[in-house]
Amino acid sequence: RKEVEQDPGPFNVPEGATVAFNCTYSNSASQSFFWYRQDCRKEPKLLMSVYSSGNEDGRFTAQLNRASQYISLLIRDSKLSDSATYLCVVNSYNDMRFGAGTRLTVKP
Amino acid sequence: SQTIHQWPATLVQPVGSPLSLECTVEGTSNPNLYWYRQAAGRGLQLLFYSVGIGQISSEVPQNLSASRPQDRQFILSSKKLLLSDSGFYLCACRGATNEKLFFGSGTQLSVL
Repeated sequence: RKEVEQDPGPFNVPEGATVAFNCTYSNSASQSFFWYRQDCRKEPKLLMSVYSSGNEDGRFTAQLNRASQYISLLIRDSKLSDSATYLCVVNSYNDMRFGAGTRLTVKP
Repeated sequence: SQTIHQWPATLVQPVGSPLSLECTVEGTSNPNLYWYRQAAGRGLQLLFYSVGIGQISSEVPQNLSASRPQDRQFILSSKKLLLSDSGFYLCACRGATNEKLFFGSGTQLSVL
């Protein structure tokens, strides 16, 4: 079993749609969680941290369920500029593990 | 804020040649440093991470090695490159007081 698993995608959605990505992790001792965004041939960039109580940043909402070892990212009112690969990241004692990523394409 | 310098942006090397990729960090001290590799269309594979000078944790990529000769310098090396070493190599940094991971701009390595 992979340490961090994500929806395989790709997701193709129209502008304005709501889309949700899921991620599961295997290490129950994992301490912190993040979502990153990666554009083609570029380095990943931090989108948001994921907190136990859930957190929101504009159109983006992240949720963490420690009991189920599951995190999610919800994007509302999708924009063309949201097209990218979204990476789930799990940290366990300095060991930062990435999911394989989910490709999102937002179409006009 | 921290800045990560990684070079070159692209590199083409013949099979069997050596490799040295350098990453330097500014704006933080005693960072955790990481090397990742990303094959085309795939996720990031953790290769090495370091929590301090001379301290390297390996995810056992047999053809590669890493060294941390200074607090803010992390080097990825190979004595003889293989075709399978091709990929996008990313250096990343976490500051001592910051959980978040920040990346350099990456090196696209093609082994021919």
